[in-house]
Amino acid sequence: GAGVSQSPSNKVTEKGKDVELRCDPISGHTALYWYRQSLGQGLEFLIYFQGNSAPDKSGLPSDRFSAERTGGSVSTLTIQRTQQEDSAVYLCASSLGDPQPQHFGDGTRLSIL
Amino acid sequence: RKEVEQDPGPFNVPEGATVAFNCTYSNSASQSFFWYRQDCRKEPKLLMSVYSSGNEDGRFTAQLNRASQYISLLIRDSKLSDSATYLCVVRANSGNTPLVFGKGTRLSVIA
Repeated sequence: GAGVSQSPSNKVTEKGKDVELRCDPISGHTALYWYRQSLGQGLEFLIYFQGNSAPDKSGLPSDRFSAERTGGSVSTLTIQRTQQEDSAVYLCASSLGDPQPQHFGDGTRLSIL
Repeated sequence: RKEVEQDPGPFNVPEGATVAFNCTYSNSASQSFFWYRQDCRKEPKLLMSVYSSGNEDGRFTAQLNRASQYISLLIRDSKLSDSATYLCVVRANSGNTPLVFGKGTRLSVIA
């Protein structure tokens, strides 16, 4: 596709369940980022991948959060044992590299009951 | 002190008005600066980069003051379609380091 694709667009799950969120970046983009945006809050950086380098995980809020990027393309963000405070929109962005802008997907709206 | 601070607004202005937003950042090593626009329940989209000399794109003018560590966005001749949240965004270093987003300033342009 032409843009960053995220799935699912909406996810409702019970507290304590694990969830996987997927991001398919723009073809050829070497950098991939995950952010989350809670209601009424700004974007919070979670993790980023750059080529084959080790990912920058400094934004992950707890060890329940992890992410992978397979083959330098698709990425999966996994949240284990979800908590209500995990409810947010999870946004993925990709980039060709500085100074090119980051292009965002539509996000996954995650609701934990 | 938060890394990037903005007045949350809302700014309610009539069509045709000029409106300005400011943003301050705390990391003096910040290298790159941007304004993103986010419509309600939509993803952020790059509005414009902010250059040291200031830059203009149509009705939008962005300025950077490194000494005072603030960035501004000026919108002239506001349109109804300008209604959105404007996010001030900073990158600490060059390269593909993560962006730091402000919480945004909400603008409503009223007919």
